[in-house]
Amino acid sequence: DQQVKQNSPSLSVQEGRISILNCDYTNSMFDYFLWYKKYPAEGPTFLISISSIKDKNEDGRFTVFLNKSAKHLSLHIVPSQPGDSAVYFCAASGYNAGNNRKLIWGLGTSLAVNP
Amino acid sequence: DSGVTQTPKHLITATGQRVTLRCSPRSGDLSVYWYQQSLDQGLQFLIQYYNGEERAKGNILERFSAQQFPDLHSELNLSSLELGDSALYFCASSSTGIGETQYFGPGTRLLVL
Repeated sequence: DQQVKQNSPSLSVQEGRISILNCDYTNSMFDYFLWYKKYPAEGPTFLISISSIKDKNEDGRFTVFLNKSAKHLSLHIVPSQPGDSAVYFCAASGYNAGNNRKLIWGLGTSLAVNP
Repeated sequence: DSGVTQTPKHLITATGQRVTLRCSPRSGDLSVYWYQQSLDQGLQFLIQYYNGEERAKGNILERFSAQQFPDLHSELNLSSLELGDSALYFCASSSTGIGETQYFGPGTRLLVL
């Protein structure tokens, strides 16, 4: 059962426009969410995170929005640049029944920004 | 550069063989994580070590094992290799535990022929 879902395997946008990557989760125990970016043949790199006590976190061109009632978060990239073309992973963290913290990853969304 | 190093970068071997992948975490990081990324698959969490002890286990096969040494470097041992084990294997580190930002190494690309 996929607790963290990125339902769009791929997304294509024009340079300069907004890219919106979505992530849904099923477990209300998640209290911290992260986005990672991955280029081919490289390891993922941390992009931005958000705690469940916030509904928005902004870092330059990247903004993450969290809607706890909908169990949904999204990553906005404005304006999109060709160098943003990569796979974006959503990850959610929280304590499980055994009081151990877990980090669950989505399968990723491949973003292509066209010049 | 994340500060996490992995060796080797590429590995080609045959079915039935055993290989060892090595990871050195960022300076000061106590936690090491191993992930597998197969073709067209997302990141599959395998196992986490914290300061030498196993802390969390994911979808790790019984043919696979890992350890973290006193100097905090980690090794992932893959045995009785099968064609389906061909994948990118990533190591990541964080200062303490799961949920923190993880810093990933460049990965080891394993090809089993």
